[in-house]
Amino acid sequence: QKEVEQNSGPLSVPEGAIASLNCTYSDRGSQSFFWYRQYSGKSPELIMSIYSNGDKEDGRFTAQLNKASQYVSLLIRDSQPSDSATYLCAVKAISSNYKLTFGKGTLLTVNP
Amino acid sequence: GAGVSQSPSNKVTEKGKDVELRCDPISGHTALYWYRQSLGQGLEFLIYFQGNSAPDKSGLPSDRFSAERTGGSVSTLTIQRTQQEDSAVYLCASRLGQNEQFFGPGTRLTVL
Repeated sequence: QKEVEQNSGPLSVPEGAIASLNCTYSDRGSQSFFWYRQYSGKSPELIMSIYSNGDKEDGRFTAQLNKASQYVSLLIRDSQPSDSATYLCAVKAISSNYKLTFGKGTLLTVNP
Repeated sequence: GAGVSQSPSNKVTEKGKDVELRCDPISGHTALYWYRQSLGQGLEFLIYFQGNSAPDKSGLPSDRFSAERTGGSVSTLTIQRTQQEDSAVYLCASRLGQNEQFFGPGTRLTVL
């Protein structure tokens, strides 16, 4: 069973702080990793993708990947109340060119 | 252009009735996915279409669930003899090539 694990939270941070969201996966053959943001009652939207070890930065967001540890994280700098949402980690295995396996998501609350 | 659309946005039905959920993918997107999201849960993969064929139906929970896609475009997910445990948000996503999946707004199904 290929699994993607996330801490369900809620993770609560003050406005302006760094929010750190973590995800582990069981399939060592995984090659592509994605972070989706889902506001309450809305559909998921892609915010970051990462494919190789290391860090990838996009504005206030940084994705970090460590394949040896089977670990991917998302850092949100200068957190804003508008970042309050559930963040879903998704993983694509090399054996599949189409299927994403999603974690259950971490609920982030940014307090003004 | 328009995003992925789904209809209806909400559906309330009685246990034992059949329901049909519709997905209109982004024009030109050849890949189409159906997911189910129950309260507090991640996205559960149901079925994947490439064109009109469904090479992966492994996520359909029972033979009461079926889906079809015609003309490489619109897809319908049918649930026969609905049960209360079928209550969830049903999300459709489409993809072009190896790019990201774009999600529709979902259909919230409530089985009384």
